[in-house]
Amino acid sequence: KQEVTQIPAALSVPEGENLVLNCSFTDSAIYNLQWFRQDPGKGLTSLLLIQSSQREQTSGRLNASLDKSSGRSTLYIAASQPGDSATYLCAVAPNFGNEKLTFGTGTRLTIIP
Amino acid sequence: NAGVTQTPKFRVLKTGQSMTLLCAQDMNHEYMYWYRQDPGMGLRLIHYSVGEGTTAKGEVPDGYNVSRLKKQNFLLGLESAAPSQTSVYFCASTRREGHYGYTFGSGTRLTVV
Repeated sequence: KQEVTQIPAALSVPEGENLVLNCSFTDSAIYNLQWFRQDPGKGLTSLLLIQSSQREQTSGRLNASLDKSSGRSTLYIAASQPGDSATYLCAVAPNFGNEKLTFGTGTRLTIIP
Repeated sequence: NAGVTQTPKFRVLKTGQSMTLLCAQDMNHEYMYWYRQDPGMGLRLIHYSVGEGTTAKGEVPDGYNVSRLKKQNFLLGLESAAPSQTSVYFCASTRREGHYGYTFGSGTRLTVV
């Protein structure tokens, strides 16, 4: 069974710093990996989707990388802003059978002004 | 540009009462899902549907029923609510499972007293 881990569970950094969020998964047989953002009391907003054949995806100040063989993905946030404060979740989609999307438990990010 | 819409956004039920949560998507997606999110437990799949008229059990289906009579709607029912069903419920959809990203609704916060 796929397991997805996000460490650390919480992270605080000063405004303006670059930062990296981590996502690890145990089964490399994935179709894609998706990063989401969740603000308190809100739903999940999709940030980036990386297909298994891709190494990275970029959107604005966000860059997500994928190393399927090692079971790792990172989300890089450049020049962090207070508005980036949220919980970030990664989710892995399997490429076979009846397995469904597996979520990590998230990293709660706080950007200190 | 609605995406996935969930109604209601908040609800308080007494133990034993019933209710239906509605999820509607306007993206012509085939696959739809119901998740619950609890502190420390992450997102867990309740039921899902692979197309109009189909439903299937997820990880935590007990106490819930679903129906997908129309492609754009996916209903989650609680026949006899219990305090253990206090949670935030999210609906999600995707065009094709595992190939495309998932779109989430903004959630329904349910409290059972």
